[in-house]
Amino acid sequence: LLVQSGGVVKKPGASVNVSCKASGYTFTDYGITWVRQAPGQGLEWMGWVSGYNGKTDYIEKLKGRVTMTTDSSTNTAYMELKSLIADDTATYFCARGGSAWPKVIEFWGQGTLITVSA
Amino acid sequence: DIQMTQSPSSLSASVGDRVTITCRASQSVVHYLNWYQQKPGKAPDLLIHIASTLQSGVPSRFSGSGSGTEFTLTISDLQPEDFATYYCQQSYTTPYSFGQGTYLEIK
Repeated sequence: LLVQSGGVVKKPGASVNVSCKASGYTFTDYGITWVRQAPGQGLEWMGWVSGYNGKTDYIEKLKGRVTMTTDSSTNTAYMELKSLIADDTATYFCARGGSAWPKVIEFWGQGTLITVSA
Repeated sequence: DIQMTQSPSSLSASVGDRVTITCRASQSVVHYLNWYQQKPGKAPDLLIHIASTLQSGVPSRFSGSGSGTEFTLTISDLQPEDFATYYCQQSYTTPYSFGQGTYLEIK
């Protein structure tokens, strides 16, 4: 089970931090993927963070603005996005792969709506 | 980065119909291609992975095929609950890009 923090409204230029608390499995056995979806638009893979050692892999367009981290003491993953712009308005999902195919997303959080507006 | 292109972008069909959605990759993804179904306000659900492997619990009217750069998702005998948006995604190399989606609506 992946439970995300609640939605927020942020001003352009601000930062946002979304949390994703995992339960029901050994946190360090899997990485967490972040996917976002702008209103009425498709899915965008943002990146991945290892639950084991914190290694990350980000999509090029977000490098420098996004930081994904994990805290194994609380089984929680975090996604921070800085210097927000209107185009960052989206629902952000955390997700996890399956046991047989870790790269294939099988489990999703409920999504967190981040609205960027002046 | 690998670009994923789905066709059509939208599709109208009736209950009981058979429909096919195509997904093309800008370069080979071998067989590392997944299909998801998303309903409004919900997270996506995995239907098929590794091009043709049906996820546990997914009805057998869903099937996938293809390899390399061209893949298809077929839904036979459409049911009312199948009307949704479908996405392909490659999990061959990061970033694990998605197609733009195919909106399947009731005719």
